Amino acid sequence: AQSVAQPEDQVNVAEGNPLTVKCTYSVSGNPYLFWYVQYPNRGLQFLLKYITGDNLVKGSYGFEAEFNKSQTSFHLKKPSALVSDSALYFCAVRDNYGGSQGNLIFGKGTKLSVKP
Amino acid sequence: SAVISQKPSRDICQRGTSLTIQCQVDSQVTMMFWYRQQPGQSLTLIATANQGSEATYESGFVIDKFPISRPNLTFSTLTVSNMSPEDSSIYLCSALQGGQGYYGYTFGSGTRLTVV
Repeated sequence: AQSVAQPEDQVNVAEGNPLTVKCTYSVSGNPYLFWYVQYPNRGLQFLLKYITGDNLVKGSYGFEAEFNKSQTSFHLKKPSALVSDSALYFCAVRDNYGGSQGNLIFGKGTKLSVKP
Repeated sequence: SAVISQKPSRDICQRGTSLTIQCQVDSQVTMMFWYRQQPGQSLTLIATANQGSEATYESGFVIDKFPISRPNLTFSTLTVSNMSPEDSSIYLCSALQGGQGYYGYTFGSGTRLTVV
């Protein structure tokens, strides 16, 4: 079955330190991978995606993610965390059984807390 | 990327009643999806809204409870019928754009439903 795993329910980081939010996936065929952020009482905001090309993907707000095919991972990173980065982060993979029109399958989410 | 206007943003409803949620996209999109996010949980796909035909429902979701319409390529509605407190969740619509050099999923801001 296709799935996404986010092994950490919560990640705590001090402001200014680097952060990593982990994601691994299982999918048939080529993975289409996405990261979204959700602030309280808000919808999902797109951060970045990997479809093809360079394994290191840069996205919004200084975030980046590295696609690692051998480890089936797509970890989200930021060199220097801000308090305003505190939010709920979701990793998602396209359901390839739907082909190019497939829906997204989401991980359970990781709460990021950045302390001053 | 597309922009989705989702209404209402929140509502408090009496059990046994129904609520219709609307999503309007500012451009034609390939696919539209409806998700439910229960408190503290990830996003679960309810159904794929098919333009001009019946929606495709995921296991555990049925048309009588969650009727969906998609009359054209930019608009969809989800109705939560005969509501009970267990239906209290955030409901989100999503649109897939897959063509003309861009591939991505956009989300509405969500509808926070409380059933009392």
